[in-house]
Amino acid sequence: GAVVSQHPSWVICKSGTSVKIECRSLDFQATTMFWYRQFPKQSLMLMATSNEGSKATYEQGVEKDKFLINHASLTLSTLTVTSAHPEDSSFYICSVQPGQGFEKLFFGSGTQLSVL
Amino acid sequence: GDSVTQMEGPVTLSEEAFLTINCTYTATGYPSLFWYVQYPGEGLQLLLKATKADDKGSNKGFEATYRKETTSFHLEKGSVQVSDSAVYFCALSGSTGFQKLVFGTGTRLLVSP
Repeated sequence: GAVVSQHPSWVICKSGTSVKIECRSLDFQATTMFWYRQFPKQSLMLMATSNEGSKATYEQGVEKDKFLINHASLTLSTLTVTSAHPEDSSFYICSVQPGQGFEKLFFGSGTQLSVL
Repeated sequence: GDSVTQMEGPVTLSEEAFLTINCTYTATGYPSLFWYVQYPGEGLQLLLKATKADDKGSNKGFEATYRKETTSFHLEKGSVQVSDSAVYFCALSGSTGFQKLVFGTGTRLLVSP
């Protein structure tokens, strides 16, 4: 069964609204979670690293005030896209790393966001 | 910076056909290389990996060899099945730290009976 649960799978929203995406680690506690996004025909790109109990670390070019990440517990991280615009339409994926090494990296099934 | 380039899809094959999905990379240092697979409705899963030059990663009949001289890590399978239909992502571990994965665009594979 799924190790990481990501919801919703897809969402359509109006421009200017905010959207929250949840990423839950089902089988283990995860101090670190990662958020990726993929624009059409582009690479899957790391957006930010979420650390439980502390501020997220954002990659260059990612607006931290627009993409709010909350990692308040060891099993849940949320990504909120604030005041979404059509250019934010993308595929967002979370991943969880409960241990060392890439064998221990588990991914959610992704969220397709479409902003009208 | 580090980057991964993989062939555009979709790749459409008949069952039992030979599969190659090309992947080349640009990186400083000596990255580890990975192939991830995403089946419909599921998260990405690690398919195989190679950590140094000339290593061959293999799993579920898939293979890929780390070629430093051509900076490539092509994915191959001798006989595909309908159940192999998925999106395949090539990736490397960033030279700035093992936690950062740099992915390609993904290649969709469609296998028909």
